[in-house]
Amino acid sequence: QVQLVQSGSELQKPGASVKVSCKASGYTFTGYAMHWVRQAPGQGPEYMGWINTNTGNPTYAQGFTGRFVFSLDTSVSTAYLQISSLKAEDSAVYYCAAFDLGDYWGQGTLVTVSS
Amino acid sequence: EIVLTQSPGTLSLSPGERATLSCRASQSVSGSSLAWHQQKPGQAPRLLIYGASNRATGIPDRFSGSGSGTDFTLTISRLEPEDFAVYYCQQYGNSRTFGQGTKVEIK
Repeated sequence: QVQLVQSGSELQKPGASVKVSCKASGYTFTGYAMHWVRQAPGQGPEYMGWINTNTGNPTYAQGFTGRFVFSLDTSVSTAYLQISSLKAEDSAVYYCAAFDLGDYWGQGTLVTVSS
Repeated sequence: EIVLTQSPGTLSLSPGERATLSCRASQSVSGSSLAWHQQKPGQAPRLLIYGASNRATGIPDRFSGSGSGTDFTLTISRLEPEDFAVYYCQQYGNSRTFGQGTKVEIK
């Protein structure tokens, strides 16, 4: 069965970086794009963009350029989201999702940015 | 970027009542590429409706979607206790964007 398993919660200080992983199983990883979604506390989801798992080419949505980087390690069927120069407003749950395959979401990774 | 505006922000209803949720897009959503999701606390959103009016696998028929262009509606014909949650629309015709949500709460 399709599963997307994300790395655990992170507590980081402002200005630091964080890397969230999303390990896929149950399907051909390179056959479907991986999407990323952010959800701040009490807010609706925000679409961050997607990465072509075949070519590694990322596409970032408005508001998610510069400090956000999508990457892959296809040898272990894993996608990554790295956020640099963290700010308090980056505190949120981050989801990976395989929308093009179906309604498949990771369980979410809580990133808390606090001094 | 297509902006989705959902109304009302909160809907207070009793079990058995009908819920009507609205999602308005800032520009036409191509191919009726509009989905509805349900989210409960601590969970990822769950797909209910895709293509504006198609129920996802396993979704009860009390959930229905309609609309095209810029105006879309999710209707829950008779609210069950498990339906009290937050609902989001998402367009996927031009990149992807989500609405800000409608909370359906118990009156």
